[in-house]
Amino acid sequence: EPEVTQTPSHQVTQMGQEVILRCVPISNHLYFYWYRQILGQKVEFLVSFYNNEISEKSEIFDDQFSVERPDGSNFTLKIRSTKLEDSAMYFCASSGWGRISYEQYFGPGTRLTVT
Amino acid sequence: QKEVEQNSGPLSVPEGAIASLNCTYSDRGSQSFFWYRQYSGKSPELIMFIYSNGDKEDGRFTAQLNKASQYVSLLIRDSQPSDSATYLCAPQKDYKLSFGAGTTVTVRA
Repeated sequence: EPEVTQTPSHQVTQMGQEVILRCVPISNHLYFYWYRQILGQKVEFLVSFYNNEISEKSEIFDDQFSVERPDGSNFTLKIRSTKLEDSAMYFCASSGWGRISYEQYFGPGTRLTVT
Repeated sequence: QKEVEQNSGPLSVPEGAIASLNCTYSDRGSQSFFWYRQYSGKSPELIMFIYSNGDKEDGRFTAQLNKASQYVSLLIRDSQPSDSATYLCAPQKDYKLSFGAGTTVTVRA
């Protein structure tokens, strides 16, 4: 069964460093997303991406964040200068066409620890 | 008012019983409503979705939607120990899912 994959599973970085989180969405999906979940808190939407551009982003997704689809399979989230409060699980998700709903399937996540 | 509110847990049910989970949402523009299950330390796993008022059944799960009341629920019939997890309600508007804090369910053998 097709699934979303993410690498690395755990990333430790120092405050101020740049990190790139990688995702391979389900192959025939057209929409891609990033969410995050701070430990003990709810899952929060960061950004959605379609047709090589951002379709929606949240207030969390400020200038420190960027997304890219560098090739036909990968979808990346870059954090330019990490802060302690960026420590969280980052989930990539993807969806295809589904009548009037768009079922989003989540990857296993990358745990980002900023020290 | 929170965007998505779920009944506070934890919810403890005996094996074989029905677990009932509730969710209310504030954005009347929400188009579809998703239920995810999240085991501790894992990612959300899609259980089912509903977009029309009424009931929708999928195996042991039944979702109910009442848009006028801005209310969605999930029933888990014949609860099994493997159903022990946190259940997340997620209304969708355009392409964005807005998650509730979740209700933790424990099924006791």
